[in-house]
Amino acid sequence: EIVLTQSPGTLSLSPGEVATLSCRASQRISNSYLAWYQQRPGQAPRLVIHSTSNRAAGIPDRFSGSGSGTDFTLTIIRLEPEDFAVYYCQQYGSSPPWTFGQGTKVEIK
Amino acid sequence: QVQLQESGPGLVKASGTLSLTCGVSGASISSNNWWSWVRQPPGKALEWIGEIMHTGATNYNPSLKSRVIISVDKSKNQFSLNLRSVTAADTAVYYCARADPTISGVIIYGMDVWGQGTTVTVSS
Repeated sequence: EIVLTQSPGTLSLSPGEVATLSCRASQRISNSYLAWYQQRPGQAPRLVIHSTSNRAAGIPDRFSGSGSGTDFTLTIIRLEPEDFAVYYCQQYGSSPPWTFGQGTKVEIK
Repeated sequence: QVQLQESGPGLVKASGTLSLTCGVSGASISSNNWWSWVRQPPGKALEWIGEIMHTGATNYNPSLKSRVIISVDKSKNQFSLNLRSVTAADTAVYYCARADPTISGVIIYGMDVWGQGTTVTVSS
């Protein structure tokens, strides 16, 4: 089973700033099948990025993903008020279970 | 527009069986993608439970595999989750989701459509 470790646990930033979230895997993720989700309080998760760097439908271009192997990053530039949420990474590597990271909370400073 | 809706009891007795259904609208359950269950205990992270295709093929989280059955009902365009021998540790919000759809010829490796979630509490 691939374990995903996200850092930091909490990111305190102001609107307009840049958020850089990290997701590290315990082993290489095949084909870079790594997804990122946004979850606002009381809501279901929403797919933000799939296959490491592809934005999901309706996601603004201030969101970008990068990485390969075991290290992946979600970057959000020009933070908007609606971007403050918890973000989870999930891997679709070579075989199930398709594990999630423990989440990074992006909060308003 | 694809929509998913979870339904089922919000309260289950310990040692009993948790049964939830996910109704699919705006898409066929026979589409070439996986249909998944994910849960989230209060204040905790997401946990992948398992998935099913319309063919009946399934994958389960090994940590739950001995207690979980996911099934599909094509006639009702829905899929279901059964989790037996529940304990307080199974108290969570349960989500159903569509995974790995093919859109415009591209497979989206991720869960692109989610239900609103349903809270299940295991009582002693």
